[in-house]
Amino acid sequence: AQSVTQLDSQVPVFEEAPVELRCNYSSSVSVYLFWYVQYPNQGLQLLLKYLSGSTLVKGINGFEAEFNKSQTSFHLRKPSVHISDTAEYFCAVSEPGNTPLVFGKGTRLSVIA
Amino acid sequence: NAGVTQTPKFQVLKTGQSMTLQCAQDMNHEYMSWYRQDPGMGLRLIHYSVGAGITDQGEVPNGYNVSRSTTEDFPLRLLSAAPSQTSVYFCASSYALTGGEQYFGPGTRLTVT
Repeated sequence: AQSVTQLDSQVPVFEEAPVELRCNYSSSVSVYLFWYVQYPNQGLQLLLKYLSGSTLVKGINGFEAEFNKSQTSFHLRKPSVHISDTAEYFCAVSEPGNTPLVFGKGTRLSVIA
Repeated sequence: NAGVTQTPKFQVLKTGQSMTLQCAQDMNHEYMSWYRQDPGMGLRLIHYSVGAGITDQGEVPNGYNVSRSTTEDFPLRLLSAAPSQTSVYFCASSYALTGGEQYFGPGTRLTVT
């Protein structure tokens, strides 16, 4: 069965600095990978997803992620963060077929002015 | 479109009481799911459905029941509430079980005393 590890539970970063949120997955087959964002007191919304094709995926709000099959990673990056990026970010994985999405435990990004 | 709606937004129960969390979607999605979110635990899947009349258990199904009589609705029933069920509950829907974007409701914050 697939699993997801988000390596950092909290990441503080200064405004306009770059950020990387790390995600590693475990699966014996090919996977679909997702990043979701949760702003305070809201539900989750999709940032980006990798299904196939180019390993560099661009999402909303200037975020991008790179699928690395050899390292089983799907790290999320943004070159310059804003205060409004303060939120919790979840990496998720699913396998083709009838298997539901599995989420990581989340990384809380705090952007400091 | 309203997307995914959940009621109530907040609920306080006493141990042993039962209740139903409502979830509805107007996007004609076949796949619906219920998650609970607890600090440091990420989102854990309780139950999911791949279509009307079809449900299956997720990672943490004990103490919860579901049914899916229509495409639009997917209620979650707590049979006999326990303090361990204090959590934030999210309903989500998607056009595909794997590979599809999940659309989340705003959540229900449940406290069991």
